[in-house]
Amino acid sequence: DVKVTQSSRYLVKRTGEKVFLECVQDMDHENMFWYRQDPGLGLRLIYFSYDVKMKEKGDIPEGYSVSREKKERFSLILESASTNQTSMYLCASSSRWRGGAEGYGYTFGSGTRLTVV
Amino acid sequence: SQQGEEDPQALSIQEGENATMNCSYKTSINNLQWYRQNSGRGLVHLILIRSNEREKHSGRLRVTLDTSKKSSSLLITASRAADTASYFCVNSGGYQKVTFGIGTKLQVIP
Repeated sequence: DVKVTQSSRYLVKRTGEKVFLECVQDMDHENMFWYRQDPGLGLRLIYFSYDVKMKEKGDIPEGYSVSREKKERFSLILESASTNQTSMYLCASSSRWRGGAEGYGYTFGSGTRLTVV
Repeated sequence: SQQGEEDPQALSIQEGENATMNCSYKTSINNLQWYRQNSGRGLVHLILIRSNEREKHSGRLRVTLDTSKKSSSLLITASRAADTASYFCVNSGGYQKVTFGIGTKLQVIP
């Protein structure tokens, strides 16, 4: 019953490293999203994608980039990790054709807790 | 994008009691969804209520929607310790980009 899989549950990286967070969904969803969640700030949208090779900036894209070469995979890239990027990262997907997020909601992965030291 | 405001931010009740949490928006509501997040995990979709609906039930969950007040409420009846989680609302209609609020943190004491 696996739906959205994030490659790592916990990750520790050093400042300045290039970090890749991977997300794979097996539901043939068109839409994929990356959020970060911090205490007191809720979930903030970083990037989203509505199709292969398409991407759009969310509310806080600075310091991040994304890649969507295949429909099922959406990668979040921290070009040069910094301590202020220590956070919980959540990936989500939704279907466009079955009413999109309106019809069936978002399916989330379990999250990746990233610590940058 | 737009963000809902959940109220209260924190709620503590005894097992068996009912829990009510509210959500409000500044813009019009289209389709409103509620999600649950257990500590340190991803969000799980609970229920969706459309703008032409006023009330919806799913097991111990009851959701109401008042489009004139741009608000919704989630009622969990006969709460259990396993209901301890954060709850979020999302208004997902009419646009692609949606954001989640801070949520309501519910603690159910056994």
